[in-house]
Amino acid sequence: RKEVEQDPGPFNVPEGATVAFNCTYSNSASQSFFWYRQDCRKEPKLLMSVYSSGNEDGRFTAQLNRASQYISLLIRDSKLSDSATYLCVVNTKAAGNKLTFGGGTRVLVKP
Amino acid sequence: DAGVTQSPTHLIKTRGQQVTLRCSPKSGHDTVSWYQQALGQGPQFIFQYYEEEERQRGNFPDRFSGHQFPNYSSELNVNALLLGDSALYLCASSLDMGQGSYEQYFGPGTRLTVT
Repeated sequence: RKEVEQDPGPFNVPEGATVAFNCTYSNSASQSFFWYRQDCRKEPKLLMSVYSSGNEDGRFTAQLNRASQYISLLIRDSKLSDSATYLCVVNTKAAGNKLTFGGGTRVLVKP
Repeated sequence: DAGVTQSPTHLIKTRGQQVTLRCSPKSGHDTVSWYQQALGQGPQFIFQYYEEEERQRGNFPDRFSGHQFPNYSSELNVNALLLGDSALYLCASSLDMGQGSYEQYFGPGTRLTVT
């Protein structure tokens, strides 16, 4: 089983719609969680950290469910520019400061 | 404020050769991590350098080695290149806080092609 698993998609989303997707992690000792965005042939860019209480940044909302070991990302009012691959990232302090990435979820927003 | 920089941007090598990739961290950061990203996959952790020492290593063979300099910049060396080493190599920098969220910021990557 992979440490961090994501549905690869693609999620085809009409412009203006809401899309949500999850990521599961296997190590219950994981402490820090992030969503990164990666455009084609570019580097990953930090989208948001995920906090235990859940957090929102504009049209983006992240949730953490420690009991079920998953995190989620919801995008409201999707824009064409939201088309990208979204990488779920987990850090386990016991494993040192290394990030473990999921394979990414591809989102395509269409007019 | 300069972000993470990497050089070169692209590189073509032949099987069996050796390659050195370079990374300068974001200003104020002291920790450098290296990742390999094959096409269609998420980045895989190679190793991390802090205080000029390798602090953590992923599941990569000894052909992959690195170094961190006193100015926090870093090099990744790969010996005896294989076709399977073709990938995007990403450098990420962060500030070691002992505790905390460990946010890492990535450079644009070096795209290595082994023929």
